[in-house]
Order: sequence, then structure tokens, then C-alpha cells
Amino acid sequence: AQSVTQLDSQVPVFEEAPVELRCNYSSSVSVYLFWYVQYPNQGLQLLLKYLSGSTLVKGINGFEAEFNKSQTSFHLRKPSVHISDTAEYFCAVSKAGNTGKLIFGQGTTLQVKP
Amino acid sequence: DAGITQSPRHKVTETGTPVTLRCHQTENHRYMYWYRQDPGHGLRLIHYSYGVKDTDKGEVSDGYSVSRSKTEDFLLTLESATSSQTSVYFCAISSGTSTDTQYFGPGTRLTVL
Repeated sequence: AQSVTQLDSQVPVFEEAPVELRCNYSSSVSVYLFWYVQYPNQGLQLLLKYLSGSTLVKGINGFEAEFNKSQTSFHLRKPSVHISDTAEYFCAVSKAGNTGKLIFGQGTTLQVKP
Repeated sequence: DAGITQSPRHKVTETGTPVTLRCHQTENHRYMYWYRQDPGHGLRLIHYSYGVKDTDKGEVSDGYSVSRSKTEDFLLTLESATSSQTSVYFCAISSGTSTDTQYFGPGTRLTVL
């Protein structure tokens, strides 16, 4: 079975500072990896996803993530955050041929301070 | 935004009462999902549907049932609500392959007293 662990429940950071949100997964089979963002009082929307190929994936709003198979990680990064990036971020995995079902991590709240 | 609506958006009910949440899509996606979101647990899959009248259980299906009589509507029913079912419920849609993006509705906040 797959599982996803987000190592930090909350990450406070000052505006214009860099940030990394950590995600580790476990699976005995190949998986696809996703990061979703949830702004306050909204549903989730896709930031980026890794399917295959280049291990560095670029997403919306200046975010990027790097797939590391040996460390089973998919950390999310942004070089300079804005107040508007304050949100909850979820890492998720899906297994090939598994009807698109997602397994989510616990979520990381990014708090950007002025 | 993908055309997904959820109703009601907020509901307060009492223990033991039945509750039905509705998800409606205008995108004609084959797959629809119900998740619940709880602090410290992220989102967990309750049930999903892969077509009209075709549904299956997720990881936290106990106490919930679903129905899909039309492509565009997916109903989640709590037959007898309990306080442990207080949560935020999200509907999502996709075309169903493992590489596809899921599109989420705005959520329903349910409080069971």
C-alpha cells in the first residue's frame, strides 16, 4: 500500500524568503506524484505533478518540485514567497492503473509573514 | 474553474439524523470522488464512482453510502450521522486515469451535534 508523509505540519516564513515543503512517500510500485494547494475556504487545485521524465517539475505560481526516487521524496520549493502563497499544501500519490484514486499526506500550512 | 458545485455548503445536524450531500458537475467526467478532510489526516477517500450506478468503497467508507443515477450527480448519504462524521467534505472529478488531475468542488462543512 502507498502512504504519504508530509514532515512539517506548519511552516512559517517571511515574505520574499525561500521555502521548502517536504514530502516523502512509500510504495512498492511506481507511483505518480502531485502537489495540491488549498487557499482558505476553497477547494484544492493542482500546483504540479510528476508523471515521468525530468525529475524537476515546474508548476503554477513559481513553485517547483523535485522527484528523488532513491530518497522517495517529492519536495516542493519556491525561491521567494508572497503573502498570497499563504495556504495549505498537500502532497498526494496515485498508483498506475488504480482508477485515479489519490492518497494524500496530512498537509502543510504555509504561513507567509510580512 | 471546473464546473463542480456542492450543496449544501454548510450544514448543522443532530446525531442520528440522515444527511445527504450533493455533488454536481458540468464537465461530463466519468469519475467522481468523495473525500473528507480532517486536521492531521489530510483528505481521505470515502467512496468513488466510475460511471452511472458504478461505485466502490474508499479507505473510510463505514457509515457512508453513495449513489449515482446520472453522470452529473454524485450523492453522499450519512444514514445516521454521528459526531465523528463532523468534517469538511469535498467532491472531486476526473477522467479516471492515474495521471489525471482531479478537480475539486468548494466543499461542504458538516457539523453533527
